[in-house]
Amino acid sequence: DVQLVESGGALVQPGGSLSLSCAASGFIFSSFSMNWVRQAPGKGLEWVSSISHGRPTVNYADSVWGRFTISRDDAAETLHLHMRSLRVEDTAVYYCVRDRATVVADSWGQGTLVTVSS
Amino acid sequence: AIQMTQFPSSLSASVGDRVTITCRASQAIRNDLGWYQQRPGKAPKVLISAASKLQSGVPSRFSGSGSGTVFTLTIDSLQPEDFATYYCLQDYNYPRTFGQGTKVEFK
Repeated sequence: DVQLVESGGALVQPGGSLSLSCAASGFIFSSFSMNWVRQAPGKGLEWVSSISHGRPTVNYADSVWGRFTISRDDAAETLHLHMRSLRVEDTAVYYCVRDRATVVADSWGQGTLVTVSS
Repeated sequence: AIQMTQFPSSLSASVGDRVTITCRASQAIRNDLGWYQQRPGKAPKVLISAASKLQSGVPSRFSGSGSGTVFTLTIDSLQPEDFATYYCLQDYNYPRTFGQGTKVEFK
């Protein structure tokens, strides 16, 4: 079974940094593109970032461009999201999400909560 | 960025009703659209990909249609487990964008 387990969520002050990780299992991680999607409390879904497989290319939402960095470690089967210059509006549950070849966002983790507050 | 306008934002329905949710893209996106269901406190789940392809394990009462700029998700004969929030997502280009969501509530 596909499993995606996020970790690293925490309470952080505005302007601070935080790194999230997603441990993948049950599939050949190196063969799949991956994403981060977030959901602020009581709000809708927002795509944050994607990283392709192979020679990875990355993409970011305008709202996080220049502050967040997505990366992957295929040997460790782990997806990362490094976040800096965090803002109150970055408060959300962050989901690790897999893309299958013809199905975008086919598998989701359970999410990890990031709270940005003083 | 492509804007996805989803409506209605909420609706009230009864078990057995037919429900239709619409997403409109600000530009043509071929059929590069998926539909997702999110139950309270849970992660979203993909229902339909490529506008109309029902995913494995998803009941056949769910169907999707559309191409270009207008897409619909239809639930025939609503069941108790279908009361949830539904989202569309365009993957035609980056940044990917979700619709605002439609909350299906019990009448």
